[in-house]
Amino acid sequence: SAVISQKPSRDICQRGTSLTIQCQVDSQVTMMFWYRQQPGQSLTLIATANQGSEATYESGFVIDKFPISRPNLTFSTLTVSNMSPEDSSIYLCSVVGQNGELFFGEGSRLTVL
Amino acid sequence: AQSVTQLGSHVSVSEGALVLLRCNYSSSVPPYLFWYVQYPNQGLQLLLKYTTGATLVKGINGFEAEFKKSETSFHLTKPSAHMSDAAEYFCAVSGWMGGGATNKLIFGTGTLLAVQP
Repeated sequence: SAVISQKPSRDICQRGTSLTIQCQVDSQVTMMFWYRQQPGQSLTLIATANQGSEATYESGFVIDKFPISRPNLTFSTLTVSNMSPEDSSIYLCSVVGQNGELFFGEGSRLTVL
Repeated sequence: AQSVTQLGSHVSVSEGALVLLRCNYSSSVPPYLFWYVQYPNQGLQLLLKYTTGATLVKGINGFEAEFKKSETSFHLTKPSAHMSDAAEYFCAVSGWMGGGATNKLIFGTGTLLAVQP
């Protein structure tokens, strides 16, 4: 299994601002995933981040709102842009194991006022 | 296309009682199935997984699940609940495509387990 660290662990932000979430993995991985968990709900995949190429976004998520960087095989960032209260969620970084299982970071809890 | 249905958003059991959390899936390819647990204010932890082979899989903390293809189910059980089992549990499905996994896990809506003393 991989050890995944996310920063910040939580933050409170003002409407209209942007926040960048960092994800660091203790081993090199080809694919990293960003999920969103809205209050009381399940996880929804935002995008898949591959090193050296643009992220692939799921339906309902766009690059202008959630720009992603993947500068190397152990690191990725997700930015939540022009935030509104509806963006209040837990954002989770994950990587895939040998059998397709996902390993998750602790999550970044975002509250937008 | 794949999907997961978890029956019962809230389940309450007494300490020492059987835990049964239900999960049904839909998949157009042979599924890989997972159960995750999320404790309050924490990330998701893998409980157990089914990929191929034995249909009864054992996980951490005394949990197990059985893959039943005929019923398209992957229910999670534990013979005797502990107070520490109180958490939210998510069932998830993915499928191998070609030489590798889709790597996209589709999650169910979750079941919040409460354990009463």
